[in-house]
Amino acid sequence: GEDVEQSLFLSVREGDSSVINCTYTDSSSTYLYWYKQEPGAGLQLLTYIFSNMDMKQDQRLTVLLNKKDKHLSLRIADTQTGDSAIYFCAEMFSGGYNKLIFGAGTRLAVHP
Amino acid sequence: IAGITQAPTSQILAAGRRMTLRCTQDMRHNAMYWYRQDLGLGLRLIHYSNTAGTTGKGEVPDGYSVSRANTDDFPLTLASAVPSQTSVYFCASSEGLAGNEQFFGPGTRLTVL
Repeated sequence: GEDVEQSLFLSVREGDSSVINCTYTDSSSTYLYWYKQEPGAGLQLLTYIFSNMDMKQDQRLTVLLNKKDKHLSLRIADTQTGDSAIYFCAEMFSGGYNKLIFGAGTRLAVHP
Repeated sequence: IAGITQAPTSQILAAGRRMTLRCTQDMRHNAMYWYRQDLGLGLRLIHYSNTAGTTGKGEVPDGYSVSRANTDDFPLTLASAVPSQTSVYFCASSEGLAGNEQFFGPGTRLTVL
């Protein structure tokens, strides 16, 4: 079945790099996503990677996909206090509809 | 351009009452979705609609119904609310099967007592 797992909490010092990890069980997904949710707000798409790619870089964000191990990671360089939020990993499956399966979310806390 | 709006922002509801959560998008997206977010569980899909006039069941559809009379609106109805439906509800939309990004509304926090 489809399952996405993430660690629930990560604490980093301002200026350091953050790495948020995600594992998934079903390798038939078409895209994998990282969404950011700030307190009291909806989800904002940060970045995504097509399932046949290994890496994608977008400014401070680097996404790595290891298809063999079914592991996805998001690295945030030079983490700032404004990066404090919950980060959701999600897989998309195309079929009757664009089905998104979300992980439970990782809460990133950035401290001085 | 507002994107996706949801109403109300929050609501406290007595068990057994009927409630409709509203969702409107102005992006002319074909597909719309309703999710609920519960602590430790991420987001789970309740219902979806690929285009106006069609709807489908997601992972957790029981106790909820939807309609899609036009492209812009996708209301979610709880016919007889129960405490387990206490959650934050998010509406989302995408261009459809060809679109790979879902855009989310700000959410409705619903408490059923």
